[in-house]
Amino acid sequence: DGGITQSPKYLFRKEGQNVTLSCEQNLNHDAMYWYRQDPGQGLRLIYYSQIVNDFQKGDIAEGYSVSREKKESFPLTVTSAQKNPTAFYLCASEIFGHTEAFFGQGTRLTVV
Amino acid sequence: GENVEQHPSTLSVQEGDSAVIKCTYSDSASNYFPWYKQELGKRPQLIIDIRSNVGEKKDQRIAVTLNKTAKHFSLHITETQPEDSAVYFCAASNRNYGQNFVFGPGTRLSVLP
Repeated sequence: DGGITQSPKYLFRKEGQNVTLSCEQNLNHDAMYWYRQDPGQGLRLIYYSQIVNDFQKGDIAEGYSVSREKKESFPLTVTSAQKNPTAFYLCASEIFGHTEAFFGQGTRLTVV
Repeated sequence: GENVEQHPSTLSVQEGDSAVIKCTYSDSASNYFPWYKQELGKRPQLIIDIRSNVGEKKDQRIAVTLNKTAKHFSLHITETQPEDSAVYFCAASNRNYGQNFVFGPGTRLSVLP
């Protein structure tokens, strides 16, 4: 079953902790993206990667980090430096420069 | 860089009526405009898209129109059904240069039975 998978679906974090959100795809897509979704603000780009071992900051990268050691995987770490991390996080992938982006089912992160 | 605005932010229609959502973009180099539908708690999914060399595209009850001169594009849903209730996002990108998508803020559509 091909697709893009995010885990976990729900995640709770204590203040001061780092947490890592998983994103895996078996679509053989070159490009992968992380978006943050807040009510009324649409999708804001956190980080993106067009090729293995390379990634670029998006519009709201502060307090986040990523890695792209494998084509299939693009994990996002929400660090303690992110002051307002409670949000819905979406991962996406695409054949770079083509059309449709495919989204994961999202991870809802809550700081407790 | 590209900026995409979307209106209205919320839209309620009676079942069977039409719904129209409008987006404007700022970068005249953008050449690809997709629309995504996100049902509650689910992932966004592409429902229709249009390239800049086309003025209109239709797929059953859904259509998209593009006005390059005015830099706006619209989603039209006819004969709305309760299952059309969702958040709809527009986006713009220059695919020739692999530019990242810039998304609008979304429109929450409610179809009332």
